[in-house]
Amino acid sequence: GAVVSQHPSWVICKSGTSVKIECRSLDFQATTMFWYRQFPKQSLMLMATSNEGSKATYEQGVEKDKFLINHASLTLSTLTVTSAHPEDSSFYICSARPRGRAGELFFGEGSRLTVL
Amino acid sequence: AQSVSQHNHHVILSEAASLELGCNYSYGGTVNLFWYVQYPGQHLQLLLKYFSGDPLVKGIKGFEAEFIKSKFSFNLRKPSVQWSDTAEYFCAVNDFFPLNNAGNMLTFGGGTRLMVKP
Repeated sequence: GAVVSQHPSWVICKSGTSVKIECRSLDFQATTMFWYRQFPKQSLMLMATSNEGSKATYEQGVEKDKFLINHASLTLSTLTVTSAHPEDSSFYICSARPRGRAGELFFGEGSRLTVL
Repeated sequence: AQSVSQHNHHVILSEAASLELGCNYSYGGTVNLFWYVQYPGQHLQLLLKYFSGDPLVKGIKGFEAEFIKSKFSFNLRKPSVQWSDTAEYFCAVNDFFPLNNAGNMLTFGGGTRLMVKP
């Protein structure tokens, strides 16, 4: 099956620093990747859609300057949380859609960010 | 915009009990429907999906779901749960409303935490 890997799975950082999370599709090409945020005991909220070779599309209320998304290749998207603050602490999950498989997404393991 | 409702936030069952988790969505056009499961400490995994055809869909681990278009529902069922089914279950809908990025966006329900007592 299609595998999506996220790294790091757990990161702790100081307030004001930036953190980069990688999302890789290991055995397929993904023209589109999605970044979600999951708060404790809540569902996944879509943050942005990452398209290979173009700018990401952000959902309403998501600060594009704070959550920088880059989709440099068909197998890699990165989310950088800039100048992180404690309220950015959350579980970030990426998903990817294999080329040619409309509607079906495969999810990464998630990355838990804790900002001190 | 599409919205997905899961009515049961927490469900506690004993082993061998039958399970039904409700899922309703709002937009009535062409939809793809999914159930995902998140076991403790693990990532989301696909349980089953409906794209077209037989509205009764069989998934992994004995789960099934029935798409009832007239009720905008896609309820998840399992005749006899096991302790290992303890997890959080998410219903998701992928519709083809033009504003939703050409059908690529999944809208998730709030999730249902299932605890199965041994």
